[in-house]
Amino acid sequence: DAGVIQSPRHEVTEMGQEVTLRCKPISGHDYLFWYRQTMMRGLELLIYFNNNVPIDDSGMPEDRFSAKMPNASFSTLKIQPSEPRDSAVYFCASRRGLTYEQYFGPGTRLTVT
Amino acid sequence: GDSVTQMEGPVTLSEEAFLTINCTYTATGYPSLFWYVQYPGEGLQLLLKATKADDKGSNKGFEATYRKETTSFHLEKGSVQVSDSAVYFCALSDRAGGTSYGKLTFGQGTILTVHP
Repeated sequence: DAGVIQSPRHEVTEMGQEVTLRCKPISGHDYLFWYRQTMMRGLELLIYFNNNVPIDDSGMPEDRFSAKMPNASFSTLKIQPSEPRDSAVYFCASRRGLTYEQYFGPGTRLTVT
Repeated sequence: GDSVTQMEGPVTLSEEAFLTINCTYTATGYPSLFWYVQYPGEGLQLLLKATKADDKGSNKGFEATYRKETTSFHLEKGSVQVSDSAVYFCALSDRAGGTSYGKLTFGQGTILTVHP
């Protein structure tokens, strides 16, 4: 299995631009999680989906952030407009059912200048 | 709410030294406990887990025992290698099922550097 796939691996953009991060979960996994990692705040859960439906988005920082999962094999996290404080590494993770292990992707390092 | 506290890093050791990274938690009920490892430029990988009190998780020479009485899950390795240099995260999960989806709560991470 290829594991969780994220793209791009690195993104540099200017403040005010729209940014779209992409994730392909492991086939057969029905849970998908988006995390943000920063030095100051560590790992934060932003949102998670079950069977393509958003279940809990209470971790999404503000309305500039949105996430979708149009099908079982694809999810996006969009920031519009982006701000320098959004600079972080964004991870996607997936899980099969109510097992314990989440499988993480390699992350997208976002830099907003 | 649930929380995880790890010893602050960074931790710097010589090869073959003994490693301990402390982790304590606060949770309601009976959580499962995990150690994840993040190598440079990569995502997190599950290192080991323990799902009930007194369980010992082990993998790649690392061990951790679920201590309910002290609410701890300290990570140990008898002889570290340069290749163990990474960031280590302690985490807990509430019991998945019913209204719970098994949310992971992470500690802040501990950077380990091992020198030859």
